[in-house]
Amino acid sequence: DAGVIQSPRHEVTEMGQEVTLRCKPISGHNSLFWYRQTMMRGLELLIYFNNNVPIDDSGMPEDRFSAKMPNASFSTLKIQPSEPRDSAVYFCASSLGAGALNYGYTFGSGTRLTVV
Amino acid sequence: QQPVQSPQAVILREGEDAVINCSSSKALYSVHWYRQKHGEAPVFLMILLKGGEQKGHEKISASFNEKKQQSSLYLTASQLSYSGTYFCGTDSSNTGKLIFGQGTTLQVKP
Repeated sequence: DAGVIQSPRHEVTEMGQEVTLRCKPISGHNSLFWYRQTMMRGLELLIYFNNNVPIDDSGMPEDRFSAKMPNASFSTLKIQPSEPRDSAVYFCASSLGAGALNYGYTFGSGTRLTVV
Repeated sequence: QQPVQSPQAVILREGEDAVINCSSSKALYSVHWYRQKHGEAPVFLMILLKGGEQKGHEKISASFNEKKQQSSLYLTASQLSYSGTYFCGTDSSNTGKLIFGQGTTLQVKP
C-alpha cells in the first residue's frame, strides 16, 4: 500500500492567493483528518470526515478555510485568500474504524505551506 | 482541551530507560502514542483503550489509568533510533478524533 498521499509537498504562495492541498487516504480507511502543525500551536485538528461526511469542523480557523471529500479516495483543503499566518505543515491522516475499533492514524508526508 | 505531556524534553544515553507522561482533564476512551522525526510525519506507535486493551509496538510499552485520565509511555533500553518527538493523542468522544499533546522531545546519544 502506498500509504496516505499528499500533494504538493511544498507550496510557496503570495498573500491573497488561493491554495489547494490534496490528500488520498489509504484504501478502505473510513475516517480522514486534516491537521495543521506549527511550532507555536503544535498539531491542531482542523476537520475530520467519516465515510466522506464532514463530522467536526470546529477546528477550522475561519471562513477562509474549507474542506471537501467528494469520494472515499480524495479530499481537499482550500485556503482562500491565504495569509502569512497560515504558513505551517498541513497533514492529512486516515484511519480504519473509530473508538474501540480504531487502529491508529496513518499520516501523509505533509504539505509545507509558506505564504509570503 | 489539549492533553499535557511531561517532560518537555529528555536526553538519554543508549541503553537507558525513559518514561513520558500524558495527562488529560477529560474522561478518555483511548490514548494514542506517535513518534515524529524531524521533517517527517508522525508515525503510530500504540493505542490504549478504555478497558485495558492495548495494540501496537513490540518494543515499547504503555499504561493507561482511566480513573486519572493519564497515560505513560515506557521506552526501555533506548536505541539511537528512538530519538524524535513523542506525541500522545487523546480521544474523549469515542469517535477516533484525537487531540494531541504538545510533544516530548527525546534525544538518545551514543
